[in-house]
Amino acid sequence: DAKTTQPNSMESNEEEPVHLPCNHSTISGTDYIHWYRQLPSQGPEYVIHGLTSNVNNRMASLAIAEDRKSSTLILHRATLRDAAVYYCILNKGNAGNMLTFGGGTRLMVKP
Amino acid sequence: SAVISQKPSRDICQRGTSLTIQCQVDSQVTMMFWYRQQPGQSLTLIATANQGSEATYESGFVIDKFPISRPNLTFSTLTVSNMSPEDSSIYLCSVKLGGWTEAFFGQGTRLTVV
Repeated sequence: DAKTTQPNSMESNEEEPVHLPCNHSTISGTDYIHWYRQLPSQGPEYVIHGLTSNVNNRMASLAIAEDRKSSTLILHRATLRDAAVYYCILNKGNAGNMLTFGGGTRLMVKP
Repeated sequence: SAVISQKPSRDICQRGTSLTIQCQVDSQVTMMFWYRQQPGQSLTLIATANQGSEATYESGFVIDKFPISRPNLTFSTLTVSNMSPEDSSIYLCSVKLGGWTEAFFGQGTRLTVV
């Protein structure tokens, strides 16, 4: 499986935008880019995914580089509740493919 | 979406004993996944469990240590056998609903072995 590289931790101020980077230089053409997050004492939850085009949903936006070797998860206005570990995962998307978690980025949000 | 219930939510067990963790899903799913999260670490896949067949284990995990049952499309169990303090972790159940879809996770079972 292609690997992803993320910073270990990031800090943000509340109500400011947050840009979480992810490098995936060995991504294949069939790999989707997924983001999950894990709030304290909870299981991971889905945030967003994309293939080539930028994606928006109610939680976040995903910006994908034109060469697909990197992507950025954008939280438009961080809240204290967004403090979590964010995982960038490459996955081929079908039901049989389990998720392979890397180290993730621990996001700290300051009031 | 899918709602996953795991039991127990936490337990403290004596070394040498076994613990069975239950995972109940509110919809029928073909594949269920069991993960381990050691303290301060990321998630590691233990095995994939299909209904009606033997579970498929990842490198470093064996059936004798982590036997899995999958009796129907909504339920699975993971047993942690002959426990040692190194087995102290959070164990999580996960499902995908099929086709092209996100994964859903249970809240996890926090196991402490003393």
